[in-house]
Amino acid sequence: QSALTQPASVSGSPGQSITISCTGTSSDVGGSNYVSWYQQLPGKAPKLMIYDVSNRPSGVSNRFSGSKSGNTASLTISGLQAEDEADYYCSSYTSSSTLVFGTGTKVTVL
Amino acid sequence: EVQLVESGGGLVQSGGSLRLSCAASGLTFSNYAMSWVRQAPGKGLEWVSVISGSGSTTYYADSVKGRFTISRDNSRSTLYLQMNSLRAEDTAMYYCAKDLIPRKPIVGATNYDYWGQGTLVTVSS
Repeated sequence: QSALTQPASVSGSPGQSITISCTGTSSDVGGSNYVSWYQQLPGKAPKLMIYDVSNRPSGVSNRFSGSKSGNTASLTISGLQAEDEADYYCSSYTSSSTLVFGTGTKVTVL
Repeated sequence: EVQLVESGGGLVQSGGSLRLSCAASGLTFSNYAMSWVRQAPGKGLEWVSVISGSGSTTYYADSVKGRFTISRDNSRSTLYLQMNSLRAEDTAMYYCAKDLIPRKPIVGATNYDYWGQGTLVTVSS
């Protein structure tokens, strides 16, 4: 159950688009359609942004989108805003019927 | 509105035990798988365990298997985590979290739409 690999940090200017990658194996990301993304603000509980690879929960901005190719899932934030500055985590269902989170990515809005 | 309120955290010595509780309201509790997720200070999220809505199915992370037990009382809308043989590396904020979709057939494939505020567990060595 090794953590999924994410870049430690990603940055962008307001209005730009950024993409965060989440790399696993065929036993998790590559073999699952149950990949989610969470946003965590400092001192707060995580917030679900994307589920089942590319679905947005009600109330989440359509600036957030998810996709997957092979063993790598991606979260794209378009039209980057100051309020998007946070930590982002992916998660994936695994072949062992467990869940694994990514290492986390700090998004900085320049 | 859905609310999840954890309790039971605190300071415990290595080798000791604690029981965490998560009181749920605003939902039909038995319809949803529930989980515990932890976060060590300054670190990332770590999935701990999940339990099905009925309580009949449970899964654990390797790091806690054999030491932690997840359970639920649907009549009280409460989730529990019994933690035994605690180690320094178990020090973390523990969150309970609710699955987005009710009665999901794949118990472990959880997406967490509601989280509690967390309860801090500190294990001293």
